Amino acid sequence: DADVTQTPRNRITKTGKRIMLECSQTKGHDRMYWYRQDPGLGLRLIYYSFDVKDINKGEISDGYSVSRQAQAKFSLSLESAIPNQTALYFCATSVLAGTGELFFGEGSRLTVL
Amino acid sequence: EDKVVQSPLSLVVHEGDTVTLNCSYEVTNFRSLLWYKQEKKAPTFLFMLTSSGIEKKSGRLSSILDKKELFSILNITATQTGDSAVYLCAVEKQGAQKLVFGQGTRLTINP
Repeated sequence: DADVTQTPRNRITKTGKRIMLECSQTKGHDRMYWYRQDPGLGLRLIYYSFDVKDINKGEISDGYSVSRQAQAKFSLSLESAIPNQTALYFCATSVLAGTGELFFGEGSRLTVL
Repeated sequence: EDKVVQSPLSLVVHEGDTVTLNCSYEVTNFRSLLWYKQEKKAPTFLFMLTSSGIEKKSGRLSSILDKKELFSILNITATQTGDSAVYLCAVEKQGAQKLVFGQGTRLTINP
């Protein structure tokens, strides 16, 4: 079983719909992150959390919100999806005061029509 | 603004060739530079570099960091088709505890 699990893996939706992407981890890591990947742009940070009570904006947080329901769960919401949010979304974890290395989920491909 | 730039963006070579991928960065309070390999979906960790001039090596892959000139290279010798992937460079800042990624280099190895 994957250590970092994302659901759904693929989703097609329409403009204006609310979408939630979920991430759960069994690695016991405190830090969790949401990134999006677009062709030619690499990975860009949306939100990150260092523990249950800590939520921080990344470089492209507009149009997104997150919830850290537990140490193991970190969900990303698009309140009103728009076509330019079509992308591959990755959840990642890292250890507290560790190497900086991230452990990624398999990704959630979101298409907004 | 923090910036990580990779070059080339795309590279196609024949099996057995040696390739060098580049990563330059402009960040304040540099802590470390990391390389990842992304095949189908999730990126997987290759190397973390913190000190200049010390080569990290894993099989046919090696990487080195130059903190004076603000760049790193990733070398792959005797390439194989299984090396085909997107290679991502990322920089971690002191205190920020998050990574800034470059655009990635798409490497294609033809048999």
